[in-house]
Amino acid sequence: GAVVSQHPSWVICKSGTSVKIECRSLDFQATTMFWYRQFPKQSLMLMATSNEGSKATYEQGVEKDKFLINHASLTLSTLTVTSAHPEDSSFYICSAAKQGGDTIYFGEGSWLTVV
Amino acid sequence: GQSLEQPSEVTAVEGAIVQINCTYQTSGFYGLSWYQQHDGGAPTFLSYNGLDGLEETGRFSSFLSRSDSYGYLLLQELQMKDSASYFCAGWDSNYQLIWGAGTKLIIKP
Repeated sequence: GAVVSQHPSWVICKSGTSVKIECRSLDFQATTMFWYRQFPKQSLMLMATSNEGSKATYEQGVEKDKFLINHASLTLSTLTVTSAHPEDSSFYICSAAKQGGDTIYFGEGSWLTVV
Repeated sequence: GQSLEQPSEVTAVEGAIVQINCTYQTSGFYGLSWYQQHDGGAPTFLSYNGLDGLEETGRFSSFLSRSDSYGYLLLQELQMKDSASYFCAGWDSNYQLIWGAGTKLIIKP
């Protein structure tokens, strides 16, 4: 079956630094990838939609300069949290839509802790 | 490996009751969540079972049996707006969220 892999699973970074999270579709091409963040027992909050070869579409209230998204290939999208602050600590998860399909596959998620 | 299995598609009639099952295989387990996702939208949280038993929230209920590695989502008094995909997701011992592939619920008038 289709697999979406995220890396790293866990990351701790110092306040003010930047951290990059990768989202890879391992056995299919994904023209569209989605980035979410989630707080415990809450819904996933869609942050942005990442389209291969074009600029990401950010949801209202999400700072595009803070959460940089790059979808450079059909199998890789990256989320970079720039100048991270403790309030950015959260669970970030990506999902990928299979090219030509109607199913979305989720990554395992990445825990970010900013200290 | 770790996995959650759920049916790919379920069909039901408006006004009826439907149950969506989810079985899992994970090494260590910290609860089962259910999400609803309409086409083109982000998944929204429905329920969370950290302990065995039934959790009821309006027309939706969710059940977990950790000894059977099994849970289900029960939707009552189905409405056309309930047509969506439903995902079960489990938190494993590494605090990673393992997702099922989703069940597409088709509701007929």
